[in-house]
Amino acid sequence: SAVISQKPSRDICQRGTSLTIQCQVDSQVTMMFWYRQQPGQSLTLIATANQGSEATYESGFVIDKFPISRPNLTFSTLTVSNMSPEDSSIYLCSVEDGRVRNGYTFGSGTRLTVV
Amino acid sequence: EDKVVQSPLSLVVHEGDTVTLNCSYEVTNFRSLLWYKQEKKAPTFLFMLTSSGIEKKSGRLSSILDKKELFSILNITATQTGDSAIYLCAVGRGAQKLVFGQGTRLTINP
Repeated sequence: SAVISQKPSRDICQRGTSLTIQCQVDSQVTMMFWYRQQPGQSLTLIATANQGSEATYESGFVIDKFPISRPNLTFSTLTVSNMSPEDSSIYLCSVEDGRVRNGYTFGSGTRLTVV
Repeated sequence: EDKVVQSPLSLVVHEGDTVTLNCSYEVTNFRSLLWYKQEKKAPTFLFMLTSSGIEKKSGRLSSILDKKELFSILNITATQTGDSAIYLCAVGRGAQKLVFGQGTRLTINP
């Protein structure tokens, strides 16, 4: 399967600050996906990141709060801006992975706690 | 609105038991149904199902899809403590988006 390196693994942040999460894939992929998993909840898609164009956000998520960069076909960042305790979640990046028979592979995840 | 519902939400069994996890869905532009195992943070891929009635197997795990009744099951036989995890069902729609169910938290007691 594709190998996705996601950083940081975890962080504790003060409210009002921002955190940028990075994902590096070991192969070129057209689309990268960013998910949020709030405590005790399932995964919710935040946005789809395409190289060379603006990310596409799902209902309830906005660019000002979750700006995304996609400078090339192997890398993307998600920033969680002006954080509040409600942003405490696991954040995951994902790619569609032809090496696992069209399944989707996930990064190792970032556990964010906002205090 | 697209919806994926898993049941039960939580299940506790003894080592050696067989378990069946359920996933039903109502999704437009259905493309595939996927099962994942989540132990810490990152879900790991188990199966992808696209056709009805064809069972996929991997060791003690198997899964099948019914596209007419819009559901899938994941079976685990001879369970082991290492099978303890959250099992996630997700449905792939057009444009490669996944919609996830709430997950089933499976606990295997020795």
